[in-house]
Amino acid sequence: LAKTTQPISMDSYEGQEVNITCSHNNIATNDYITWYQQFPSQGPRFIIQGYKTKVTNEVASLFIPADRKSSTLSLPRVSLSDTAVYYCLVVWGNEKLTFGTGTRLTIIP
Amino acid sequence: DTEVTQTPKHLVMGMTNKKSLKCEQHMGHRAMYWYKQKAKKPPELMFVYSYEKLSINESVPSRFSPECPNSSLLNLHLHALQPEDSALYLCASSQGLARDGYGYTFGSGTRLTVV
Repeated sequence: LAKTTQPISMDSYEGQEVNITCSHNNIATNDYITWYQQFPSQGPRFIIQGYKTKVTNEVASLFIPADRKSSTLSLPRVSLSDTAVYYCLVVWGNEKLTFGTGTRLTIIP
Repeated sequence: DTEVTQTPKHLVMGMTNKKSLKCEQHMGHRAMYWYKQKAKKPPELMFVYSYEKLSINESVPSRFSPECPNSSLLNLHLHALQPEDSALYLCASSQGLARDGYGYTFGSGTRLTVV
């Protein structure tokens, strides 16, 4: 199971773009990269998932370089409501979803 | 309905009590999960049910007993818990495997306190 490494915490100002990088050096060929967001006292919420290059949806973009040993979650123009813990996960061929320590993002007014 | 509903939201129980946590989803998802989350820690997988059958037990102590009565319901029966079992218990469901792009839908959890 590929282990992920993320910064423990990050601060950003409202309106800025935030990039959270995740390292997954031993990712396997069939693994996907997934990001979840969690607010206090709530369950995690699926944000985005990708395999290679770039994926974009209505809330975020995910950039994955060719070697796939890292990935970057990009949140455009953050607001105070984006303050949360963001988890990077590597998912594979069965049903286990294993969370790492996550990145605690604080948005400053 | 795109939610996973967990009841109760809060539960306080003594170490000799028997209680149950309930989870319900009506999205037709084939897999359901129990996670445990301690304060400021990531969620930890406890059990996975696939098509109403237990497929993964992460070496959880027997004082936690899962049950899947049908495809929409998942219960977690609690008996003789310890204070260190106090945590947020999260239920989740998914339509398919994570690798196929199926994100997991989590409930808001049950905040359990064992006294």
